[in-house]
Amino acid sequence: DAGVTQSPTHLIKTRGQQVTLRCSPKSGHDTVSWYQQALGQGPQFIFQYYEEEERQRGNFPDRFSGHQFPNYSSELNVNALLLGDSALYLCASSLGSANTEAFFGQGTRLTVV
Amino acid sequence: DQQVKQNSPSLSVQEGRISILNCDYTNSMFDYFLWYKKYPAEGPTFLISISSIKDKNEDGRFTVFLNKSAKHLSLHIVPSQPGDSAVYFCAASDTSYDKVIFGPGTSLSVIP
Repeated sequence: DAGVTQSPTHLIKTRGQQVTLRCSPKSGHDTVSWYQQALGQGPQFIFQYYEEEERQRGNFPDRFSGHQFPNYSSELNVNALLLGDSALYLCASSLGSANTEAFFGQGTRLTVV
Repeated sequence: DQQVKQNSPSLSVQEGRISILNCDYTNSMFDYFLWYKKYPAEGPTFLISISSIKDKNEDGRFTVFLNKSAKHLSLHIVPSQPGDSAVYFCAASDTSYDKVIFGPGTSLSVIP
């Protein structure tokens, strides 16, 4: 079992560009959540996908969007990148609700210059 | 507005002694609490959880205590080992909204 895999591991983008991050959940998991972790802070909830629909959303602007595919894998898209979007982006998969432990990927380190 | 707080950014403990990591929350709707451990260059790993209907949950060297009236929980690690050195995140969820809120983390160093 490969666990949760994210790609790419590192990425450098320029202000104003768009970026797509990818996540494959742990085998058997149907729910994917995305988090942004800035330096020295805890992960901040962006949104959660279940059955190919956005189920919950945190306090992030519409520039942040996502998608879940029938195989439960997911993408996070960020448009019009700002310097402040530089962070570690974590994907977590789980089975069902938030009352179950989530398994995290190693994250994608995004740097916006 | 930080709903989950971990007021100690760092903690140092001698090997073999007890490590106590604290967490406070403000949202009384939270009904499920989790602790995650994170090593550098890795994603967080689930450690232990507790439901609001309990006040204690134990798993080996790890015990989590919940005080709902004080909106406070703590993670006890006994005995502490050097491999426990990591950042520990407290997290809370309100199952009616089904999202998990993380605290800022406490960096634990266990000194051999």
